[in-house]
Amino acid sequence: RKEVEQDPGPFNVPEGATVAFNCTYSNSASQSFFWYRQDCRKEPKLLMSVYSSGNEDGRFTAQLNRASQYISLLIRDSKLSDSATYLCVVNVNGNQFYFGTGTSLTVIP
Amino acid sequence: GAVVSQHPSWVICKSGTSVKIECRSLDFQATTMFWYRQFPKQSLMLMATSNEGSKATYEQGVEKDKFLINHASLTLSTLTVTSAHPEDSSFYICSALWNTDTQYFGPGTRLTVL
Repeated sequence: RKEVEQDPGPFNVPEGATVAFNCTYSNSASQSFFWYRQDCRKEPKLLMSVYSSGNEDGRFTAQLNRASQYISLLIRDSKLSDSATYLCVVNVNGNQFYFGTGTSLTVIP
Repeated sequence: GAVVSQHPSWVICKSGTSVKIECRSLDFQATTMFWYRQFPKQSLMLMATSNEGSKATYEQGVEKDKFLINHASLTLSTLTVTSAHPEDSSFYICSALWNTDTQYFGPGTRLTVL
């Protein structure tokens, strides 16, 4: 079983829609969780960190469910500029990180 | 967020030459930096963990004699691809560890070996 699993998509949604991605992790000792977005041929950029139950930043909401071992990312009112690959990253112990394979999102006009 | 730079942003070289890539944390000190490689339409692959003042830790299957890592200061790690071959052509990305658990990534270096 992979340490971190994500639905690769692709997700194709119309502008203005709400879309949610899930990411499951296998190690119950995981300590912190991150969502990054990566545009084509660019580096990953930190979108949100999640340490407790969740975090919200504008149209983006991340939620953590430790009992079920998953984190989710909700994007409201999708914009064309939200089109990217969204990476789920889990920190288990200091320097130990596990990456999901990424979920591809395309927002359609 | 924290800023990490990489240089060069792209490089084209002949087969057999060595290429050095620099990764700098510009506004914080990073005891730990990571080096990744990413092929088109694939996930990031961790190559090695670079620790300031000590030897890097390489992932299984990554040749330490081919990918030399030096982390001589708290703001600079370098990756040298020695005797590069066309199969080494890839997107190399570094990250610096901030606040013990958050990675900030450099903009990447696109290497093409002819």
